[in-house]
Parts: sequence; C-alpha cells; structure tokens
Amino acid sequence: NAGVTQTPKFQVLKTGQSMTLQCAQDMNHNSMYWYRQDPGMGLRLIYYSASEGTTDKGEVPNGYNVSRLNKREFSLRLESAAPSQTSVYFCASSEVGEGLLAGGSRDTQYFGPGTRLTVL
Amino acid sequence: AQKITQTQPGMFVQEKEAVTLDCTYDTSDQSYGLFWYKQPSSGEMIFLIYQGSYDEQNATEGRYSLNFQKARKSANLVISASQLGDSAMYFCAMREPYRDDKIIFGKGTRLHILP
Repeated sequence: NAGVTQTPKFQVLKTGQSMTLQCAQDMNHNSMYWYRQDPGMGLRLIYYSASEGTTDKGEVPNGYNVSRLNKREFSLRLESAAPSQTSVYFCASSEVGEGLLAGGSRDTQYFGPGTRLTVL
Repeated sequence: AQKITQTQPGMFVQEKEAVTLDCTYDTSDQSYGLFWYKQPSSGEMIFLIYQGSYDEQNATEGRYSLNFQKARKSANLVISASQLGDSAMYFCAMREPYRDDKIIFGKGTRLHILP
C-alpha cells in the first residue's frame, strides 16, 4: 500500500515549456487535490476533484489544468510554465467528498511526497 | 478575513517540555473538521490529529492532543513531552464539507525543540 505517489520528485523547466505532474493513490479515495506551497504562504489549493469525472478550481487555478483520469489518478498540467510557478507541488487524496463529514480518517487528506519545480 | 489563523510564526521550546501551538478558525457552519499536519525538513506532510465539530471530547493521538474550544473557535495543538524529532513546521487546517470539498490551511508555525 503505497498511499499517494507523485512523479517526478524534482523538475527544472524553462519559461514557456510544458509538463505534467502525475499523481496516483491506491487507497480507493474519492477526492483528490493539487496544492502548491510557497515560502510564507502555507498550502494553496490549485484544483480538486471530488469524484471521478469532476474537477473544480481552487484558490490559485490560473496557468494550470487538471485531468482526473480515473479514480486512482489525478494529473496537473502546466501548459506554458512561468517563473511564478516555481514551487513545491503536493497531491493529496481523501475518502469522503463534498457534503459529508464522516469523521476521523475518512475526512483527512493524505499527501504525496511533493514535486519541487523550478522554472527558469 | 483569514479562515485559519496561526499567530506564532516560530517557537523555541526546551526538550521534554509541553508545547501548545495556537490555531483559531472562522466559520459560520455548524459542521466542520479541524486537522493538524506536521511538515519536517524533509518536506512531506504528515497527518497528526483530527477534531470534528460535533465531537464532544478533545481528540488525542499519542503525545498529541487537540484543545478544542468551540465557542472561542480555537483548536490548539498540544504536544506533551516534546522530542528533538518534533522540530518541524506545523499546519492547522479546516474543512467545511457543506460549503465545498476544500481544506483550508493556515500559514504554519515553525517549532524548534532545543536539546
């Protein structure tokens, strides 16, 4: 049981290049999320998917697209990378979705190890 | 207005002492969940403890407990008998399930445990 996995761990891009960050979970969770973490800013939600086939914008969606490929996988794409997108990106998943407060571990989001992205 | 406020950007505590990390939250919902996460220098986000708004007792997980004061909208994390390995960034977070599916994070408190 690997939990939440992310690839790659590190990436350096030039301005204008594109790339896709991959995320997969093996916990049969319904909801998946993409965050970015910048110094002094905490974690900010980029996009989330409450169930397979649905995606919604978070706090900072501009410059990103997402795909919920199936229940396990949720990818984040940067079409034209900018230096402002230099950050650490985290994927997370949780069992329950919108409208439910099941309690304890079912509400909790579990995080992947992160991808450190630098855009030059 | 911030949904989650952590007023202590950094704290220094002597090893073996108890630590309280402050967190206040803002919501008009009756149903919500509160979380604490630890982020060590290695970077991963580690879930520590959860408190549901309807839970009558404070949550505990080993050396971690959550001092939940609903009327004051406060959800402080208490670490008993601190250890050097507790040095890390700590984030408080909240989920309002009937509003959307997001978890909102505070900006964190960096805890340093001194030997």
